[in-house]
Amino acid sequence: DTGVSQNPRHKITKRGQNVTFRCDPISEHNRLYWYRQTLGQGPEFLTYFQNEAQLEKSRLLSDRFSAERPKGSFSTLEIQRTEQGDSAMYLCASSSTRFNEQFFGPGTRLTVL
Amino acid sequence: GIQVEQSPPDLILQEGANSTLRCNFSDSVNNLQWFHQNPWGQLINLFYIPSGTKQNGRLSATTVATERYSLLYISSSQTTDSGVYFCAVELVNSGYALNFGKGTSLLVTP
Repeated sequence: DTGVSQNPRHKITKRGQNVTFRCDPISEHNRLYWYRQTLGQGPEFLTYFQNEAQLEKSRLLSDRFSAERPKGSFSTLEIQRTEQGDSAMYLCASSSTRFNEQFFGPGTRLTVL
Repeated sequence: GIQVEQSPPDLILQEGANSTLRCNFSDSVNNLQWFHQNPWGQLINLFYIPSGTKQNGRLSATTVATERYSLLYISSSQTTDSGVYFCAVELVNSGYALNFGKGTSLLVTP
């Protein structure tokens, strides 16, 4: 399978806990994006990386959200001190620099109790 | 900020019917993509179409960038076409983020 992969697919956590999601992009893609999707809405952009550099992070929802891509390959998105309002689908996408067509992974569905 | 408006919000079709979905956007864009989100939440790429017309089987799309709209045509619809269709745009000089509309929810009945 050469598509974007995300783990875990589902995460249930209690309010106040920290969670971390992983995204593995398509292997030849050097841009990686994180989005959040709530029920009935389109995905909302959070942040993106080109190689290991995080080039846009002003749209992360709060300082409880952080993302890393330490070696320019996979990326992690961490949410600290989760709140019920963080319940959503978290989507990862990747693209090449030559053609910015973005391809999405299957998402991680987070439920905060 | 940029407005991406999709219409209609909901659509019910009988199998075999044709439909046109519309996406209007408020600023100049570098990129426009159409996606189909299946019932499991997976976004499936349909078209990468910043301008012009493309066809893929029963689907085709047209983007008129100067008039800031795009159209997605579905012909001879099938029940497997059901789901939500999203238009997403990348603004000129604003990074590579895709800005999504709220989608068109399509139900194709047998």
